Amino acid sequence: DIVMTQSPDSLAVSLGERATVNCKSSQGVLYNSNNKNYLAWYQQKPGQPPRLLIYWASTRESGVPDRFSGSGSGTDFTLTISSLQAEDVAVYYCQQYYSTPYTFGQGTKLEIK
Amino acid sequence: QVQLQQWGAGLLKPSETLSLTCAVYGGSFSGYYWTWIRQPPGKGLEWLGEINHSRTTNYSPSLKSRVTISVDTSKNQFSLRLSSVTAADTAVYYCARGGYCTGSSCYSSWVDPWGQGILVTVSS
Repeated sequence: DIVMTQSPDSLAVSLGERATVNCKSSQGVLYNSNNKNYLAWYQQKPGQPPRLLIYWASTRESGVPDRFSGSGSGTDFTLTISSLQAEDVAVYYCQQYYSTPYTFGQGTKLEIK
Repeated sequence: QVQLQQWGAGLLKPSETLSLTCAVYGGSFSGYYWTWIRQPPGKGLEWLGEINHSRTTNYSPSLKSRVTISVDTSKNQFSLRLSSVTAADTAVYYCARGGYCTGSSCYSSWVDPWGQGILVTVSS
């Protein structure tokens, strides 16, 4: 199995400031044949299912605010919120869909400082 | 817009079999992999397995001996069965859409959309 490790486990950021969540995979999730990273990011608020934010490591899902961005390649990835809003308080997960089982990171809890 | 609605028993005793069903409304059913994911209370997400319209399945190795995912293409529904449950299987179970298929080829993909989730509690 590919192990996904997120850092930090929790993060407190002031409103309007930048928030950065990191995700590292135990093996590469870049398919050389199409040059795509099989990595997605999700946001989960209490009592709700996860919401897709980013796929292919950096493609923003329709309707997701442009303050959310994804970057990275191979084994190291980052989710950045450029200017934190109150509604961004949530747990964020990365997931690899490179090979089954499609594993998730342990989650990063984002709070307001 | 694709919507998933799931149902099943929410309280089980140890050693019983968990059984959940998810109905898919709107959009194509046959062109996708349909997925089950669970989340123990206060913990992270665990991918359990998936099935496509041809009944091709992929399961998590850690649960493979206990998990069965099936599909009813006539009803646009898919189901999860997990045998011999214990307290460790207590979780919110989500159904969701995963990879896609075109012709005879299938491709992995992100998970979206998700069902609303159902809490299954295992307790004596």
